[in-house]
Amino acid sequence: QITLKESGPTLVKPTQTLTLTCTFSGFSLSTNGVGMGWIRQPPGKALEWLALIFWDNDKRYSPSLKSRLTITRDTSKNQVVLTMTNIDPVDRATYYCTRWWRGPFDYWGQGALVTVSS
Amino acid sequence: EIVLTQSPGTLSLSPGERATLSCRASQSVSSNYLAWYQQKPGQAPRLFIFGASSRATGIPDRFSGSGSGTDFTLTISRLEPEDFGVYYCQQYGSSPQTFGQGTKVEIK
Repeated sequence: QITLKESGPTLVKPTQTLTLTCTFSGFSLSTNGVGMGWIRQPPGKALEWLALIFWDNDKRYSPSLKSRLTITRDTSKNQVVLTMTNIDPVDRATYYCTRWWRGPFDYWGQGALVTVSS
Repeated sequence: EIVLTQSPGTLSLSPGERATLSCRASQSVSSNYLAWYQQKPGQAPRLFIFGASSRATGIPDRFSGSGSGTDFTLTISRLEPEDFGVYYCQQYGSSPQTFGQGTKVEIK
């Protein structure tokens, strides 16, 4: 059974750095063809892809947010971490951790709502 | 970046009716790498269709995907009460992968 769960702060102050952790089970990020991604969704709005990390540790970022994002993995702990610097109120969203399987996102976490306020 | 435009924005239908959702891309989607997701309120999206026409595990056959190039369609042959929600298309053939703005399927 594949599960993914996001964890991190629910409230972040403007200009701070947001760190989100995804803990997963039921598969290995070392398996060829597997990746882990982060996608966010502002309240009432559409989905926005943020970052991907692949089985070979290759990484991809959304061009519009690339300068603020870092994605890393700890294969021994089955965790993927996303950091986003210089948080702004427009970054308020539900952040989803997802499994990437040769293209589509086939498993999703429940999501973590992050609010930005001083 | 490929922009995906979904139409209509909202589809109001009754159970048993046929639903046709459109996803149009600003450029050709490589290898028809187009997926559809369903999202219900308060839940994460769920993968329904990948590769434009392949159903994901557990998705009933009343759901079908079609299209190629820049025009794609998700068809629900006979709506069931559990089919209502927001449907998003996503292209993963070009980087960055992008999502459409969604089509809400609601009960009439």
